[in-house]
Amino acid sequence: DSGVTQTPKHLITATGQRVTLRCSPRSGDLSVYWYQQSLDQGLQFLIQYYNGEERAKGNILERFSAQQFPDLHSELNLSSLELGDSALYFCASSVAGQLNYGYTFGSGTRLTVV
Amino acid sequence: SQQGEEDPQALSIQEGENATMNCSYKTSINNLQWYRQNSGRGLVHLILIRSNEREKHSGRLRVTLDTSKKSSSLLITASRAADTASYFCATDPQAGTALIFGKGTTLSVSS
Repeated sequence: DSGVTQTPKHLITATGQRVTLRCSPRSGDLSVYWYQQSLDQGLQFLIQYYNGEERAKGNILERFSAQQFPDLHSELNLSSLELGDSALYFCASSVAGQLNYGYTFGSGTRLTVV
Repeated sequence: SQQGEEDPQALSIQEGENATMNCSYKTSINNLQWYRQNSGRGLVHLILIRSNEREKHSGRLRVTLDTSKKSSSLLITASRAADTASYFCATDPQAGTALIFGKGTTLSVSS
């Protein structure tokens, strides 16, 4: 157990639907990062939050949004889902702003869009 | 966009042999990190090397960094079947921004 909890572990949904992925960071970590991993694109950075505020954006589609709550857990919302959104979605957390610290990853949510 | 690129894409060795993976990146960095991922699971942080360091050791792992060539290597000595996994390098092109990962090297260690 890495200390980063992601739920659900698996999700199967239909095209056009909306889902919410949840992440609880490791105790004490203020930064949360979301990544998407697919076979063709590799591990793509989506978005980062630090202590409730958006800190950096990567290759996140407009159909996707995220937030970090006062208790530091984060949610990634994916809407108008397409087949190509099928992937592993990882949440990671780190101390402060990551500089010179590694990330702790959760075990991921496997999303299948049918 | 991909900052780091690992080489080779796949590597197969026997138990007891050493495994070397390389990573090249494009822009200046603050640090470079290596992660391991067992099939379908979360990534595990292995080692971090700062831009002003040239070599770092952790158990059977040895990482080198050559900032003039924008490259790093990860050496796993005396490989075990349990080392079978994908290995990723990751860099932070700007301090405080998110890590950018390469596509990884898939290592297979057979007994």
